[in-house]
Amino acid sequence: GQQLNQSPQSMFIQEGEDVSMNCTSSSIFNTWLWYKQDPGEGPVLLIALYKAGELTSNGRLTAQFGITRKDSFLNISASIPSDVGIYFCADRNSGGSNYKLTFGKGTLLTVNP
Amino acid sequence: GAVVSQHPSRVICKSGTSVKIECRSLDFQATTMFWYRQFPKKSLMLMATSNEGSKATYEQGVEKDKFLINHASLTLSTLTVTSAHPEDSSFYICSAIWSTRGGAAGSTDTQYFGPGTRLTVL
Repeated sequence: GQQLNQSPQSMFIQEGEDVSMNCTSSSIFNTWLWYKQDPGEGPVLLIALYKAGELTSNGRLTAQFGITRKDSFLNISASIPSDVGIYFCADRNSGGSNYKLTFGKGTLLTVNP
Repeated sequence: GAVVSQHPSRVICKSGTSVKIECRSLDFQATTMFWYRQFPKKSLMLMATSNEGSKATYEQGVEKDKFLINHASLTLSTLTVTSAHPEDSSFYICSAIWSTRGGAAGSTDTQYFGPGTRLTVL
């Protein structure tokens, strides 16, 4: 099956710094999703990307669907303490009617005030 | 946005007992729900797809007799961990697809996650 490689595994940054994380896949994707998970909570969708080259922003977050359809990045600008959490990229298997998600291993973000 | 709840939020049980976890879509109907399992500092692993009115579809390696799933209505799916053992201790998360058009899910429909249930088996 498809494999998702997410990097970096963890990041420790100072408040105000910008952050960048990315995901690559072994196969072509039709969808890239970026989720954030706070400790002890379920993931929350941040940005959804549906077309190669698509660049989408959500507040201080920006994500892009790579031209090759095998990668995506998520940028966070001017980080704040509440950005702490685990960020996951995910692909949605659109085969059939199940729309199952395959998650990357996550990037743990720590923001020092 | 759409809200998905889970109950209980955390449960501690003795080895050998069964535990039921509920997943509800509070303000929308969900034909399809999913159950995930997450170990500490790990990613979410899909366990099964829960379809209203039909049998669940389990991922490879997940024991269907161990993890019983019932999706009896469009707003409720339950996961029962039968004869729980310490290795079943984990964070269980459900999700539901909210279709913007009603009916079957489309390619841009969003999957909303519940807050998770922390299971500890002693």
